[in-house]
Amino acid sequence: DARVTQTPRHKVTEMGQEVTMRCQPILGHNTVFWYRQTMMQGLELLAYFRNRAPLDDSGMPKDRFSAEMPDATLATLKIQPSEPRDSAVYFCASGTGTSGIETQYFGPGTRLLVL
Amino acid sequence: AQSVTQPDIHITVSEGASLELRCNYSYGATPYLFWYVQSPGQGLQLLLKYFSGDTLVQGIKGFEAEFKRSQSSFNLRKPSVHWSDAAEYFCAVAGDSNYQLIWGAGTKLIIKP
Repeated sequence: DARVTQTPRHKVTEMGQEVTMRCQPILGHNTVFWYRQTMMQGLELLAYFRNRAPLDDSGMPKDRFSAEMPDATLATLKIQPSEPRDSAVYFCASGTGTSGIETQYFGPGTRLLVL
Repeated sequence: AQSVTQPDIHITVSEGASLELRCNYSYGATPYLFWYVQSPGQGLQLLLKYFSGDTLVQGIKGFEAEFKRSQSSFNLRKPSVHWSDAAEYFCAVAGDSNYQLIWGAGTKLIIKP
C-alpha cells in the first residue's frame, strides 16, 4: 500500500531556529503539494510542484519559507527563521494526472510548534 | 471568487443512524468537487469526487454524494454510520488554476454510542 511519508511527525523548536520538513511522495507521482493547516485559516496551499519544478509558491511567506525537490523521491519545506505564528500542521500530498488534484494522497503531516 | 461553505461546524449522530453533511459552493463553471475525511492526527483521505456525468457519486467507506447544480450543493451521505466514521470531513472545489483546491472549513462528525 503506497503512502506519502513525512518526517518528522512532530517538531518543537524555538523562535529563530531553522526547521526542515521532508516528504517522500508516492513513487511515480509527478505532482507534490505542500499545505498548512491551522484552526484559524484551515487548509492553505503553500507550494505546488509538477515534475519536480516549482509552479506555484505564492502561498508561502517568501522571506522565510522555501520549498524544493532535490529529486523525485524527496520534497523539502524549510522555514528560516521560524516564528510562533508558523505553528501548524504541515501536510505534503502527491498526485498524478493533469494537475494532481484528481487523486491527491496526503501524508500524515508534521505538527510544528514554535515557542 | 470561488468559495465553499460547510454550514455545520460539528454534527452529532447516533451510531447506525443516517448522515448528511452539507456543502455549498460558489463557482461559475462546471465545478470539480471533492470530499475528504481527516481522522484525528492523520492526513486527509479522498472519499469521492465529481467531475462530470452521473450526479450521484459513490465513494469509499459506504459514502455517496449528490451534485445538485440548481442548489450549488454537493452533500455527503451515508445510510448508517459506524463509530469509526468519527472524523472531520472537508468539502473542496477546484479553483480556476487546475491544481488549487478551495477548501471548506470542515464539519466534525461525532458519533453517539
